[in-house]
Amino acid sequence: NAGVTQTPKFRVLKTGQSMTLLCAQDMNHEYMYWYRQDPGMGLRLIHYSVGEGTTAKGEVPDGYNVSRLKKQNFLLGLESAAPSQTSVYFCASSRPLGDQYFGPGTRLLVL
Amino acid sequence: GENVEQHPSTLSVQEGDSAVIKCTYSDSASNYFPWYKQELGKRPQLIIDIRSNVGEKKDQRIAVTLNKTAKHFSLHITETQPEDSAVYFCAASRGRANFGNEKLTFGTGTRLTIIP
Repeated sequence: NAGVTQTPKFRVLKTGQSMTLLCAQDMNHEYMYWYRQDPGMGLRLIHYSVGEGTTAKGEVPDGYNVSRLKKQNFLLGLESAAPSQTSVYFCASSRPLGDQYFGPGTRLLVL
Repeated sequence: GENVEQHPSTLSVQEGDSAVIKCTYSDSASNYFPWYKQELGKRPQLIIDIRSNVGEKKDQRIAVTLNKTAKHFSLHITETQPEDSAVYFCAASRGRANFGNEKLTFGTGTRLTIIP
C-alpha cells in the first residue's frame, strides 16, 4: 500500500514550457486535491476533485488545469509555466468524511 | 472565503517545556479544524483534529482547544522533545458534513524549535 505518490519529484522548466504532474493514490479515495506551498504562505488549494470526471477550482487556480479521468489519478497541468509558479506542489486524497493524506511533494523551479 | 491566521510564526522552547500555537478563523460556518506537522523536506501529516461540537481533544502530549464564540483554536504540546521540532499548520473547513465541501484553508505555519 503506497498511499499517495507523486511524479516527478523535482523538475526544472523554462518560462513558457508545459508539464503535467501526476498524483496517484491506492486507497480508493473519492476526493483528491492539489496544493502549492510557498515560503511564509502555508498550503493553498489549487484545484480539487470530489469524484472521477469532476473537478473544481480552489483558492489559486489561475495558470493550472486538472483532470481526473480515473479515480486513482489526479493530474495537474501547467500549459505555459511562469516563474511565479515556482513552488512545491502537494497532492492529497481523502474519503468524503475522512482526513486528507498528502503525497511526498514535487519541487518545481521555473526559470 | 475563509481566512486563517496563525501565531507565532516561529517558536523556540526548552526541551521539556510546553508549546502553544494559536489560530483564528473568519468563517463562523467552519466546523472542522485539523493540525498538521511537517518535518523538513517531508509531507504534511495530520497529528490531531477537532470538530465544532467539541471544546477540547487530547492525544498523549498533544491537545487542541476550540473556542467557537471567539473563533480561535490552539495546539498545545506538553513535555516537548527534540522530535517535536517541525513546522505546524492549522487549518479550517466547513466540510465534513456536506458533499463537495471539503476545502481546507491553511494558516501560514509555525516553525517550532525544541532547544535541548
